[in-house]
Amino acid sequence: GQNIDQPTEMTATEGAIVQINCTYQTSGFNGLFWYQQHAGEAPTFLSYNVLDGLEEKGRFSSFLSRSKGYSYLLLKELQMKDSASYLCAVMDSNYQLIWGAGTKLIIKP
Amino acid sequence: ETGVTQTPRHLVMGMTNKKSLKCEQHLGHNAMYWYKQSAKKPLELMFVYNFKEQTENNSVPSRFSPECPNSSHLFLHLHTLQPEDSALYLCASSQAESSGGADEQFFGPGTRLTVL
Repeated sequence: GQNIDQPTEMTATEGAIVQINCTYQTSGFNGLFWYQQHAGEAPTFLSYNVLDGLEEKGRFSSFLSRSKGYSYLLLKELQMKDSASYLCAVMDSNYQLIWGAGTKLIIKP
Repeated sequence: ETGVTQTPRHLVMGMTNKKSLKCEQHLGHNAMYWYKQSAKKPLELMFVYNFKEQTENNSVPSRFSPECPNSSHLFLHLHTLQPEDSALYLCASSQAESSGGADEQFFGPGTRLTVL
């Protein structure tokens, strides 16, 4: 079957760095997405990786290793507003998104 | 209005009621999606419409009935729901390519549904 694994919850300190991991097993691969979802709000797109390597976008970076079925989202200089759930999703061979359950990130002052 | 809008934002209904959820996208996309989001569970894809044609129905019970009258509007008709159907229902849109690929999905704020 298809499976996306990510930690349920993580806690980090304001100003620090946190890495959220995601491992996947899917039928085919057409890219991996990271979304941010604040409580009670819509998920919003953060990043897309289809080739191996690191994609940097401001304070957020996303890494992909297709051979390992692994990705991470790196958040630097954490701010209180980064408290949210972070969703990992893989686009399979049918171009459908398979979603992880999300990682709730708690930022403490 | 910009992006993807959904109404109502909150809905409480009894098991014998009939109600409809509405989604509208103002992005010029040609694909629209219904998802169910339950606490601590992955997003569950319910229905996909590409170019107004339903291309996906992930074994969703018949008490959920989608309707896509045009590429900008999507409805989810609800009848005789069960308490376990209580969840956040999210609508999304994207630009699907004729070759099958698709860009990132843009989500609406969701409808929080409670079935009593």
